[in-house]
Amino acid sequence: DARVTQTPRHKVTEMGQEVTMRCQPILGHNTVFWYRQTMMQGLELLAYFRNRAPLDDSGMPKDRFSAEMPDATLATLKIQPSEPRDSAVYFCASGTPTGGNTEAFFGQGTRLTVV
Amino acid sequence: GQNIDQPTEMTATEGAIVQINCTYQTSGFNGLFWYQQHAGEAPTFLSYNVLDGLEEKGRFSSFLSRSKGYSYLLLKELQMKDSASYLCAVVSGGYQKVTFGTGTKLQVIP
Repeated sequence: DARVTQTPRHKVTEMGQEVTMRCQPILGHNTVFWYRQTMMQGLELLAYFRNRAPLDDSGMPKDRFSAEMPDATLATLKIQPSEPRDSAVYFCASGTPTGGNTEAFFGQGTRLTVV
Repeated sequence: GQNIDQPTEMTATEGAIVQINCTYQTSGFNGLFWYQQHAGEAPTFLSYNVLDGLEEKGRFSSFLSRSKGYSYLLLKELQMKDSASYLCAVVSGGYQKVTFGTGTKLQVIP
């Protein structure tokens, strides 16, 4: 049963601490998306990668956020230092362009609370 | 940039039909997705439209008009389990960037 795996599922941390979220995309998918979801903003695209190369990270605050793909089986999203306004659910999704579209398969998300 | 608009909330009666609209403005349009998201869960795929017209899949249908920048999701024979948020997402650009609207929260009442 192929699925996108995100860890941790929940994270509570103090303001100023570093947070690292991990994502294992579905094997064979070459596109990875990071989204943040809050009640007020909905799903916001933070960054996405194709074949491990970043294509667009314009939605990501550069001063504290960073996204990488060390290899094809791992994507990471780091926040340093974290702030209370970063509290949200962070979703990773993966896909492969097929017939002109890339259907995004979502992981279960990491619920981050910064206190 | 992109602009995707959906109603924030809708309420409909069990057994009825409901239409959820989505309008968008974008350059390099490739296609449009509809996703369903139950509270506390991840979004799941419902449909994809790339050409104008209606795509039917069971109780759910999705329509696209590229010239009008308009799509709708039609849900028939509503069931209580259809209470969820419905997200419109536009695919654009050579790299097929997927951008979501803020979603429409649908409440199905008895």
